[in-house]
Amino acid sequence: TQLLEQSPQFLSIQEGENLTVYCNSSSVFSSLQWYRQEPGEGPVLLVTVVTGGEVKKLKRLTFQFGDARKDSSLHITAAQPGDTGLYLCAGARGSGANNLFFGTGTRLTVIP
Amino acid sequence: GAVVSQHPSWVICKSGTSVKIECRSLDFQATTMFWYRQFPKQSLMLMATSNEGSKATYEQGVEKDKFLINHASLTLSTLTVTSAHPEDSSFYICSASANYGYTFGSGTRLTVV
Repeated sequence: TQLLEQSPQFLSIQEGENLTVYCNSSSVFSSLQWYRQEPGEGPVLLVTVVTGGEVKKLKRLTFQFGDARKDSSLHITAAQPGDTGLYLCAGARGSGANNLFFGTGTRLTVIP
Repeated sequence: GAVVSQHPSWVICKSGTSVKIECRSLDFQATTMFWYRQFPKQSLMLMATSNEGSKATYEQGVEKDKFLINHASLTLSTLTVTSAHPEDSSFYICSASANYGYTFGSGTRLTVV
């Protein structure tokens, strides 16, 4: 059972455009993380959000954790080709990574 | 920051042979490490939790006799794919818990021919 559904699954946009990736679940998570993964490499942590309603900004990336801690979004402003990659959300339902559930992934391609 | 080194980065082996993948925490001690499997264009699926000094905990559907995990020290966990078959071809990734979250290795692409 996939606990975290990401949408869209694939996204191809022009450089300079804005985009939003959604991560939805019917389950409550104690925290939620966003990762970016490039081909042939492991995921790299972008951010961790813990509090319901929390918003974190990382340069052109804005992350939001839903009030009920069941969903999250990632918004990228003025996308650049370097943003291309697989974006994964991962929700934690307790301590320990055996309670870390990865989303279905969103593959972003930014065209120069 | 916390660094996890995974080796080899890619390996090709013949069907029926065994392959060992190493995962090392370079600048911190990891009592627990985690092994994931990722098929092309798909997300990560947790295979097992590796605990230093004790038996690994496997997720449902993962054959423990096929995917042998050893965590003999606080900085090293190994995953051995025994009697590998083409359907075992995949991208295997380890991770360890550090102070500020989970750090992932760079992955190992296994191709069984």
